[in-house]
Amino acid sequence: AQKVTQAQTEISVVEKEDVTLDCVYETRDTTYYLFWYKQPPSGELVFLIRRNSFDEQNEISGRYSWNFQKSTSSFNFTITASQVVDSAVYFCALRSDNDMRFGAGTRLTVKP
Amino acid sequence: KAGVTQTPRYLIKTRGQQVTLSCSPISGHRSVSWYQQTPGQGLQFLFEYFSETQRNKGNFPGRFSGRQFSNSRSEMNVSTLELGDSALYLCASSLDVVAAFNEQFFGPGTRLTVL
Repeated sequence: AQKVTQAQTEISVVEKEDVTLDCVYETRDTTYYLFWYKQPPSGELVFLIRRNSFDEQNEISGRYSWNFQKSTSSFNFTITASQVVDSAVYFCALRSDNDMRFGAGTRLTVKP
Repeated sequence: KAGVTQTPRYLIKTRGQQVTLSCSPISGHRSVSWYQQTPGQGLQFLFEYFSETQRNKGNFPGRFSGRQFSNSRSEMNVSTLELGDSALYLCASSLDVVAAFNEQFFGPGTRLTVL
């Protein structure tokens, strides 16, 4: 069965610090998709990124970057120079064929 | 450009009843996915529809069903409601199915409470 583990339940940082959210996944499928979502206090889920299993290229989008390593089954998310508006719960997810699994989420609090 | 809309936003039902939730995707988007979020089980995938066809279904009992119309609007139905069905139901739209889309857009969700 597939599994997504976000070992960090809560992280608290001070504004402008860099923070990395960890995501480790398990799957036997060779074709799969990895996602990161953000859920701010307002509750509306926001899609951040989708990465397919054949594309290990890291991605950078502004202050956000993602490190996908198949060798360690990890898809980590780094926020550089964090801001208060980054405070949210972040979910990592894995999808293949008919199955999609979410991690339990990491609650990030950025203090001013 | 209007975002994803979900109706109703809040709903209170009693055990045994059935409920229908609606999702209107962004204009031009042909794929709609549904998710359930509860404090206990977290986020779970319910279904994915594309061009009126269910493409994928999560591990939910048959009481949970859905459909998509020719205008891409989607509905999900839960019959014989149980207390554990109380959740936030989220809908997301995208241009295409997961293998092809670049971005998903989520609606605000429908908060269902089962008493």
